[in-house]
Formats: sequence, structure tokens, C-alpha cells
Amino acid sequence: NAGVTQTPKFRVLKTGQSMTLLCAQDMNHEYMYWYRQDPGMGLRLIHYSVGEGTTAKGEVPDGYNVSRLKKQNFLLGLESAAPSQTSVYFCASSSGTGNTEAFFGQGTRLTVV
Amino acid sequence: AQSVTQLDSQVPVFEEAPVELRCNYSSSVSVYLFWYVQYPNQGLQLLLKYLSGSTLVESINGFEAEFNKSQTSFHLRKPSVHISDTAEYFCAVMTFSGNTPLVFGKGTRLSVIA
Repeated sequence: NAGVTQTPKFRVLKTGQSMTLLCAQDMNHEYMYWYRQDPGMGLRLIHYSVGEGTTAKGEVPDGYNVSRLKKQNFLLGLESAAPSQTSVYFCASSSGTGNTEAFFGQGTRLTVV
Repeated sequence: AQSVTQLDSQVPVFEEAPVELRCNYSSSVSVYLFWYVQYPNQGLQLLLKYLSGSTLVESINGFEAEFNKSQTSFHLRKPSVHISDTAEYFCAVMTFSGNTPLVFGKGTRLSVIA
């Protein structure tokens, strides 16, 4: 039972480069989320999706784009990476009803130099 | 919109001592409340949740949290901590309707000292 899988686990980018982080879940969940975690800031929501083909902005969406073309996948893109985007990124999924837990991936540690 | 405030960023405590991690929330509608735990270099995992009914909820490893609607709080407690409880703890809230995202507090780092 894989749960939520994030790819890659680590990445180093140069300023201005682009990349895509992939999140895949095998629990048939409707909701998927991308968070970033920074020291002292907790988890901040970047974008989320309440179903296939839908996305919405979270607390810190600038500099990121997302797509949810398939229900099981949620992609996070950085078009032009900046050092301020150095962070640990977590993907999560949930069934969508408020009374169920969110399941998290193991995280992607991204460093932008 | 809902928000979560965790009042302590770091809590050091000696092994076998009791601990309380504080969480307050703000919301104009009814919410579900969660505590997640993050061990070093891992993702988050659910510790316990309040959905309805009894205001006191418990986890399998001895933590408990009490929902206090009048004080809009959901504090996490354990009567006797172990070294293995060292981790970061996050309080989170989601509205009843479920069509709003899960919102987290900034986290509390619990350090258990031998």
C-alpha cells in the first residue's frame, strides 16, 4: 500500500531553472494539497485541488503552478526557481469530507542556489 | 477563513514528566480538529482527531486532547513523556463542509530530555 508518493525526494536547482514535483496517491482521494515547510513557519498551503481538473490557490501560491489532469496525480511546477523557494515540499491527499484525515508523502527537499 | 495558533514554538520537558501543547483556533463555522506528528526527516502522520461527541479524544500512544468550544482550544496532553515522543506537533483545522483546505498551525517542537 503505497499511499502518497512524492518524486523526487531531493533536488538542487539553479536560480531560474524550472522543475516539476510529482505527487501520486493510490487511495482514490478527491482532495490533494501541496504545502511547503520552512523553519518556524509550519506548513503553508501553496495550492490544492478538490477534484480532477480543478485547482485553487492557497496561502502562498506565487511562483508555483499546479495541474490535476488525473485524479491520482497532482503536479507542482516551478517555472523559474528562486532561492526563496528553497524548502521542504509536502503533498497530501484526503477523501474530501472534513472528518477524514489527510495522508502525507515523505517530502521533497528542494534547494535553489 | 479559519486559522490555528500554536502558542509555543518549542517545549523542552524531562522524560516521564507531563506535557501540554497548546492550540487555539478561529473559525466562523464549525470545524473538525486534528493533531499531527512529524518525526525527524519524515512526513506528517495523524495523532488524533476530534469530529464530534466526547470532547476528550485519545491516541494509541498515550496522548489526549480536549476540545473546548467556549475557549476555541484543542490542547494536547500526555501525563508522562518518553524520549521517543521527541518530534514536531502540528494542530490543524478543517470546516465541517470539507470544501475548504486543511489549515495548520506553525508547529510545536517537543524535546524530551533524559
